[in-house]
Amino acid sequence: EVQLVESGGGLVQPGGALRLSCAASGFTFSSYSMNWVRQAPGKGLEWVSYTSSSSGTIYYADSVKGRFTISRDNAKNSLYLQMNSLRDEDTAVYYCARGGSATYGMDVWGQGTTVTVSS
Amino acid sequence: DIQMTQSPSSLSASVGDRVTITCRASQTISSYLNWYQQKPGKAPKLLIYAASSLQSGVPSRFSGSGSGTDFTLTISSLQPEDFATYYCQQSYSTPRFTFGPGTKVDIK
Repeated sequence: EVQLVESGGGLVQPGGALRLSCAASGFTFSSYSMNWVRQAPGKGLEWVSYTSSSSGTIYYADSVKGRFTISRDNAKNSLYLQMNSLRDEDTAVYYCARGGSATYGMDVWGQGTTVTVSS
Repeated sequence: DIQMTQSPSSLSASVGDRVTITCRASQTISSYLNWYQQKPGKAPKLLIYAASSLQSGVPSRFSGSGSGTDFTLTISSLQPEDFATYYCQQSYSTPRFTFGPGTKVDIK
């Protein structure tokens, strides 16, 4: 079964850091680009970051650039998001999602992990 | 940046109704438009990619159309499991994806 499972969410104070993980199974992880997408409480979806299959191409939304770092370990079938200098507005459910080609969309999503930034 | 709008923001419909949701891009995006369904507390699910291609496993009552700046998602006969929020997403500026604000479909 194709599956993505996020972990690492939690409560963190403003200015703090957190590292999210996404474990992939059921497909050849190293062949796919990957994304992080977030959803603030009661709000819509916001794309956060993208990495190509080899990590050769990486992009960030302006809202997180310079604070978040996406990475992947293809040997461990895992995707990561290092989040530093967290702000209240980073509070959201964070999803990892497979895909990122112009044509095919994001076809596999994890269940999400909740990040709450609050003092 | 490409901005996406959706209309309506919400709608009420009955089982069996034909439902149409519109998505508009701030500039031409060819056919690089995807549709997702999200139910409360769940992850989004890809329904339509490339404006009109049905994702594997998605019921045929869902269809998409459009190109350029104007796109439509149609549910031909609304089923109880279709009550959800629907998002469009442009992938023209891949990988800087942009989602629309969503359209909530609830029960009349």
